[in-house]
Amino acid sequence: EADIYQTPRYLVIGTGKKITLECSQTMGHDKMYWYQQDPGMELHLIHYSYGVNSTEKGDLSSESTVSRIRTEHFPLTLESARPSHTSQYLCASSEQARGYTFGSGTRLTVV
Amino acid sequence: AQSVTQPDIHITVSEGASLELRCNYSYGATPYLFWYVQSPGQGLQLLLKYFSGDTLVQGIKGFEAEFKRSQSSFNLRKPSVHWSDAAEYFCAVGAYNQGGKLIFGQGTELSVKP
Repeated sequence: EADIYQTPRYLVIGTGKKITLECSQTMGHDKMYWYQQDPGMELHLIHYSYGVNSTEKGDLSSESTVSRIRTEHFPLTLESARPSHTSQYLCASSEQARGYTFGSGTRLTVV
Repeated sequence: AQSVTQPDIHITVSEGASLELRCNYSYGATPYLFWYVQSPGQGLQLLLKYFSGDTLVQGIKGFEAEFKRSQSSFNLRKPSVHWSDAAEYFCAVGAYNQGGKLIFGQGTELSVKP
């Protein structure tokens, strides 16, 4: 059973719309991550957080933003969606040196 | 620079045959290592992990992996592949001084022939 939840699972939205991808975990993990993954491709870290009010940009530049107001919640926001944002977005959390637990992902399509 | 390489982009094996997926890493610190599996349209599921101790680790679904420090490798193996093993497999490396962040390989897609 999943201890980290992402919603929605699928989203099709028009160009210019603002969207928020939700990620919540029930394990009390301090560390949370967002990855972007194109179909059949590698994972690219776009944001991470080591705790409440702590957020950092990842290795891949992204126009998205994140917030971490509560330990269990790590939403990702795109202020103005574009077709180039079409991708799968994976959220993960971890304890120190224990590896990640991943959510099921949100597949975003911007038309 | 820290990196993880999975040399095989795509592998096809027959059902019942043995499997080995390769993973090589370049890491300055003492690493810890993982293998994840991803089914189409899904998130990643942890197969196994190595932190220290016995270099041969057992995972779920009958998988195992062996850490070879001298070769900077952490290859994944399974003695007999099932059709349900068809998926994408990712190797990942982290270190205790990296705050829990993992570096992922490019992935190996496994196809299984009946």
